[in-house]
Order: sequence, then C-alpha cells, then structure tokens
Amino acid sequence: SQQGEEDPQALSIQEGENATMNCSYKTSINNLQWYRQNSGRGLVHLILIRSNEREKHSGRLRVTLDTSKKSSSLLITASRAADTASYFCGPTGTASKLTFGTGTRLQVTL
Amino acid sequence: NAGVMQNPRHLVRRRGQEARLRCSPMKGHSHVYWYRQLPEEGLKFMVYLQKENIIDESGMPKERFSAEFPKEGPSILRIQQVVRGDSAAYFCASSRSRDTGELFFGEGSRLTVL
Repeated sequence: SQQGEEDPQALSIQEGENATMNCSYKTSINNLQWYRQNSGRGLVHLILIRSNEREKHSGRLRVTLDTSKKSSSLLITASRAADTASYFCGPTGTASKLTFGTGTRLQVTL
Repeated sequence: NAGVMQNPRHLVRRRGQEARLRCSPMKGHSHVYWYRQLPEEGLKFMVYLQKENIIDESGMPKERFSAEFPKEGPSILRIQQVVRGDSAAYFCASSRSRDTGELFFGEGSRLTVL
C-alpha cells in the first residue's frame, strides 16, 4: 500500500515551541507531500519533497525524507495557535491515487 | 482563479433517498478525486476520474455508489438508497495532471442521513 501513516496521532504543545510529526510508508515513491486540514475544512497542500531530495524548507516548515527508512518528518518551528490542525502525509508513486493515514492532530495552546 | 467548488456544502437525506454531490475542479484541471472522511478519521480514497473516464474506483463501495466526470459539467458522486452509515464529509480534489502530485481540495460536502 502506498498509504502514509502519521505519528503521533495527537500532539499538544505551547505556542512558540517546535512541533515534529512523522510519516512512514511501505512502497517506493516519486515524491511525498504534506497537507494540513483545519477543522471542518478541506486539505491544504503544504509542501512536496521529491524522492531525490533529503530536506526542504518552506517558511517555518522543514521536511525531511529518508527513502532508505521509508520515512519523512515535518517540523513546524515557532508554532502558533493558528497551526492547530490535523496534518497528513501523502506518498506518491506509481499508484494512481494519493492515500492518507489518520493524521496527526496538533494542538497549539497559548 | 476559483478553487475547487463543491456543492452542496451540507445535505440532509432520509434513509432510502438519493444523494448527489457535485464537484467543479479548478480551471485547467482534468483529474478529479473523491474522498470520504468520517469524524475524527483520515480521508479514505474512493475514486479517481479523468474526463469521461473512471481511472481507479478501488475505494468505492460495490453497491449504491457511482461517480462520473462528463466532458461538460462537474463531477458527480451519487449515492443511492442512502443509509445512516453514509453520513460523512465527502471531499473532492483536482489536479492538472496525474504526475504533478499536488492536489487541490474543495471544502467538502457534509452528508447527514436521518
């Protein structure tokens, strides 16, 4: 299965702290994407990292990819209350569809 | 450039009725994906369509569910004879091509079956 599995299921931190969530997958991939979902809303694309990249940055986001371990991590630095959301990873390979796990629910408190 | 548009945003049906959910992809996008999400759960893939073709329907229940993406007009997800277990949020996403990876999601249609 090309589905990503996010870990931990839930994460609670205080504003200003860093948040790290992980993604594991089982098959070869072309790229891996991270999405955010605010409560009751659709998913929003955050960042895409290709299989030949090891690290990528976008603002306060840092994504790493280790294809040998079939894992990725998403780091959100200096978190804000507005970062409270669920985060999903989507490994993409030869399959025609993007499938998601149950996500990591991040709660950032003031 | 409008995003992915889904309607209705909320739909209430009684058991046995039909539900029709519509999705207009972003301009220039010919690939549409439907997902279902139950409360506190992740998104479950249902079906992937390209204009006039069903590419992958491995996530669709075998009965009562169907999807289409005609040459003209929005993609339709149709649920016949709805049951309470069909109550969920249904999300549509679109992409420009199969290989670009990034999906653009609509805000979802929330179906409640009484």
